Amino acid sequence: GAGVSQSPRYKVAKRGQDVALRCDPISGHVSLFWYQQALGQGPEFLTYFQNEAQLDKSGLPSDRFFAERPEGSVSTLKIQRTQQEDSAVYLCASSPQEGTDYGYTFGSGTRLTVV
Amino acid sequence: DAKTTQPPSMDCAEGRAANLPCNHSTISGNEYVYWYRQIHSQGPQYIIHGLKNNETNEMASLIITEDRKSSTLILPHATLRDTAVYYCIVRVYAGNMLTFGGGTRLMVKP
Repeated sequence: GAGVSQSPRYKVAKRGQDVALRCDPISGHVSLFWYQQALGQGPEFLTYFQNEAQLDKSGLPSDRFFAERPEGSVSTLKIQRTQQEDSAVYLCASSPQEGTDYGYTFGSGTRLTVV
Repeated sequence: DAKTTQPPSMDCAEGRAANLPCNHSTISGNEYVYWYRQIHSQGPQYIIHGLKNNETNEMASLIITEDRKSSTLILPHATLRDTAVYYCIVRVYAGNMLTFGGGTRLMVKP
């Protein structure tokens, strides 16, 4: 596709429920990033993949958060036993290869609301 | 990556130039200045970046002071569609993650 696609666009989860958020990066993009954006704040880094390898997961807030990119294209961010503090917009970004700057493209995000 | 300081909000009249300042007094010699913006309900969008020379593209101009401790993003003729949060980020060229601060909320008014 022409851009980074994220689904679902909106997700409402009951506290304790598991959720899975999907990111379809631009075809051929090697690098993929997940960010979390709380209301009124700037995005915060969660994790980074280069192809299928997860090279940095230092931003994941707890072991309830898990991300994967098994074939080096589509990525899924999974949150287990959701809590109210997990409510945020989850943004995915991709870039053509490590080491380029013009190509950082973000999706529109998934807005997660935990009730 | 060096920290940046931006005013939390600014207003600009439609059709006028919008000048968005950013302080980055601890910037290192190998760190670039990047600007992104985030329009409501969208992901951040790359605008421009530079090292020490002024840069211009179809979206904006970037003016970096000689000591590189501050910079200004200029939108020469702001439109209502430029209403967004503008983020100034400094990092090494082609580094991995972007570290966003609070940004400047620019409101372009008719």
